[in-house]
Amino acid sequence: GDSVTQMEGPVTLSEEAFLTINCTYTATGYPSLFWYVQYPGEGLQLLLKATKADDKGSNKGFEATYRKETTSFHLEKGSVQVSDSAVYFCALALYNTDKLIFGTGTRLQVFP
Amino acid sequence: DSGVTQTPKHLITATGQRVTLRCSPRSGDLSVYWYQQSLDQGLQFLIQYYNGEERAKGNILERFSAQQFPDLHSELNLSSLELGDSALYFCASSVLQGATEAFFGQGTRLTVV
Repeated sequence: GDSVTQMEGPVTLSEEAFLTINCTYTATGYPSLFWYVQYPGEGLQLLLKATKADDKGSNKGFEATYRKETTSFHLEKGSVQVSDSAVYFCALALYNTDKLIFGTGTRLQVFP
Repeated sequence: DSGVTQTPKHLITATGQRVTLRCSPRSGDLSVYWYQQSLDQGLQFLIQYYNGEERAKGNILERFSAQQFPDLHSELNLSSLELGDSALYFCASSVLQGATEAFFGQGTRLTVV
């Protein structure tokens, strides 16, 4: 079935370090791909998205490129901040369906 | 603030009981989704309503039910509660069918004791 696989956390980094969180997917069609972020005590917020192959989503310094050939959508940021500490969820939605399928989430901890 | 309001924020109840969780979607959003977030299962899609009608069903137990009212708010009813139902329950809303840009509420944390 359709699924999303994320790297297990926690990912622990020092401030200004480079971040990569891996995400791969399995889907029968051509999904849209998303990264959501959950800050402590809050709901999920859409961070970025890409709707077709080779699209790059970007927001707040985060980027992810839709790679159809490797079925991946890895999240990157060049210089993380303490305020980026949160749980990051990769998700997919198939065309014309009504649900998001989420990965298990990756906790990021950034220390000063 | 996403514009999606969930009440209550916290709920503690005993096994065997029934609870109702409430969600008010963003103004203008016709679709409402319910998700369950637990430590062992991650974030699981439960059910979706669009403009008052059930649109999609996920991993929702028979003990759970939901509805969307004419004013578009939604309620998730959980009955015969078990310890394993303890989780964070999220509501999300979007304008159209298809959760391409869903906005999430802050969740209701349910603890069954």
